[in-house]
Amino acid sequence: DAGVTQSPTHLIKTRGQQVTLRCSPKSGHDTVSWYQQALGQGPQFIFQYYEEEERQRGNFPDRFSGHQFPNYSSELNVNALLLGDSALYLCASSLSGSDSYEQYFGPGTRLTVT
Amino acid sequence: GQQLNQSPQSMFIQEGEDVSMNCTSSSIFNTWLWYKQDPGEGPVLLIALYKAGELTSNGRLTAQFGITRKDSFLNISASIPSDVGIYFCAGAGGTSYGKLTFGQGTILTVHP
Repeated sequence: DAGVTQSPTHLIKTRGQQVTLRCSPKSGHDTVSWYQQALGQGPQFIFQYYEEEERQRGNFPDRFSGHQFPNYSSELNVNALLLGDSALYLCASSLSGSDSYEQYFGPGTRLTVT
Repeated sequence: GQQLNQSPQSMFIQEGEDVSMNCTSSSIFNTWLWYKQDPGEGPVLLIALYKAGELTSNGRLTAQFGITRKDSFLNISASIPSDVGIYFCAGAGGTSYGKLTFGQGTILTVHP
């Protein structure tokens, strides 16, 4: 049973650039959520996608956008990168319905902005 | 953004000791979850709680959903070296449908 996978593992970008991170959900899951985890902090919710639409969004600027594909995989895009965007970006998948709060995380993408 | 208050921030214990940590919030949650995160990896779901007052076990781990729905507790019995890591509580539900709100984490160190 394949778990949540994310790519790339690590990424180094320059301030002002744009980045795209990718996520494949756990087999059988249809909902994908993205979180940002700064060093020494708990994950912060960015947004959640279900049926190819953004269902809920956290307190992040419009520079953060996403997409969900028909096969339930998802992308996170960040434009005009700032130094403060350096963090571990986590993707979590879940199954819609009453148990959708049980979210299963991937290993994350470590983004460094210089 | 909003975070839950998790305590203690860190714990240093001897192998074999029991561990207790807790999480409190100013908001009511319908679901409480506990995760463990190892360095360089994503959080792993340990226990999910769905009813106020519920007590749930997973091996040596036991978690409780507080009666007020504003807190949760995690206990680890007879700790072993592989228990080392960061433990996070997360709340969900109520007005935060679909979104998990995390605590700051408890760093657990187990001395052999």
